[in-house]
Amino acid sequence: AQKVTQAQTEISVVEKEDVTLDCVYETRDTTYYLFWYKQPPSGELVFLIRRNSFDEQNEISGRYSWNFQKSTSSFNFTITASQVVDSAVYFCALSEAGYSSASKIIFGSGTRLSIRP
Amino acid sequence: EPEVTQTPSHQVTQMGQEVILRCVPISNHLYFYWYRQILGQKVEFLVSFYNNEISEKSEIFDDQFSVERPDGSNFTLKIRSTKLEDSAMYFCASSGPGRGNIQYFGAGTRLSVL
Repeated sequence: AQKVTQAQTEISVVEKEDVTLDCVYETRDTTYYLFWYKQPPSGELVFLIRRNSFDEQNEISGRYSWNFQKSTSSFNFTITASQVVDSAVYFCALSEAGYSSASKIIFGSGTRLSIRP
Repeated sequence: EPEVTQTPSHQVTQMGQEVILRCVPISNHLYFYWYRQILGQKVEFLVSFYNNEISEKSEIFDDQFSVERPDGSNFTLKIRSTKLEDSAMYFCASSGPGRGNIQYFGAGTRLSVL
C-alpha cells in the first residue's frame, strides 16, 4: 500500500529563517512520482514540483529546494530565507507511474507553515 | 495560463438534497479527477475518469456519488442524497495526455450540508 507521512503538523519560524518540511513515503512500486503541493489560506492547491523515482537529483527553484533520497524514502522540502507569503499548508504526495496517466495521488496529512514577520 | 475552473465556490444544501459540483478542466487534458478534503484533514482521492468512464474509485465513492462529462468541456460530480459527513472541500483536477502527467487542481467547491 502507498502511504505518505508528514510528521510535522505545524511549524512556525521567523521571516528570513530557513525551514525544512519532512516527508517520508512508502510504496511497493518500483517507479513512482513524488509531489509537493501548496495550499495557501485561500484554499486552492498549487502544484510545486514532481519528481520521478529514478531521478534522485536534488532540485532548486529560487528559494525552494527539494532533497530526494530513495535510500531513506524521503522527499524533503526546504524554503530558504522564508517570507510571510510562504505561510500555507504544504502537502507531500505520491502516485504510481504506471502506463495510464489516470493515477490517483496519495497525499500526506500536510504541514502547516507559519512565517512570522 | 490555463487553469481548472470549479463552480460554485461555495454550495450550501440541506441533508438529503442532491448537489452537482461542476468543473471545467484544462482544455487539452484527457484525465479527470475528484478529490475531497474534510476541514483540517488530508486531501483524499475520490475518482478518476478517462475516455468517458471511471478509471478508478475509492471506497468513499459509493453509490451516492456519480461523475459525468456531459459535453466536451464540463466534468461534474453528483451527490444524490447528501449527508452531513459530505461537508468538505471538493477539488477537481485534470492531467494531460502522456504518461504520469501532473495533475492541476481547481480552487475547490466548499460543500456545506446542513
